[in-house]
Amino acid sequence: SAVISQKPSRDICQRGTSLTIQCQVDSQVTMMFWYRQQPGQSLTLIATANQGSEATYESGFVIDKFPISRPNLTFSTLTVSNMSPEDSSIYLCSVEGPTHREQFFGPGTRLTVL
Amino acid sequence: AQSVTQLGSHVSVSEGALVLLRCNYSSSVPPYLFWYVQYPNQGLQLLLKYTSAATLVKGINGFEAEFKKSETSFHLTKPSAHMSDAAEYFCAVNSGNTPLVFGKGTRLSVIA
Repeated sequence: SAVISQKPSRDICQRGTSLTIQCQVDSQVTMMFWYRQQPGQSLTLIATANQGSEATYESGFVIDKFPISRPNLTFSTLTVSNMSPEDSSIYLCSVEGPTHREQFFGPGTRLTVL
Repeated sequence: AQSVTQLGSHVSVSEGALVLLRCNYSSSVPPYLFWYVQYPNQGLQLLLKYTSAATLVKGINGFEAEFKKSETSFHLTKPSAHMSDAAEYFCAVNSGNTPLVFGKGTRLSVIA
């Protein structure tokens, strides 16, 4: 399985500021995904990021709030913009496995907004 | 549309006892099904997957799951619980070209 790293692992931010989360994969992958896991909740897909094209956002998530970059086949960033306490969550990136069905996840970024 | 229902948000078992975590799915096409585990302060780790081959799927750490189409179920079992199995477990479904859909998760506690 792919080895996925995320930076930062955790952060505490002030409301109104923005945070950019990085996701690095040790192999080239076509599709990368960004999820949000609110406290005590399951995972919700934010968007799918393909290299060379605009990210596809799920219902309830917009590009102005969660801009995503995908400059190459091993890297992606998610920015959480104009943060509020409601954005406090774990943000996880994932990539497709070799069969293009399963996904492998990074360790997550634990964000607290004060 | 596809969906996943995990019965029981919290399951508690004694060390050495059988672990049974329930998952029912809804899908209009043959599904691919997954179980993931999340240890505290970590990301998700793939335990096992069903991709239309054998209906009984063996995964890591002694876990297995059985796909039952007639019951639309994919329950996760382990014959003997270890303290290290305490974690959050998520069932997920993927059909066609749709993204993974996760259940709400079941927190497993193991009592010494």
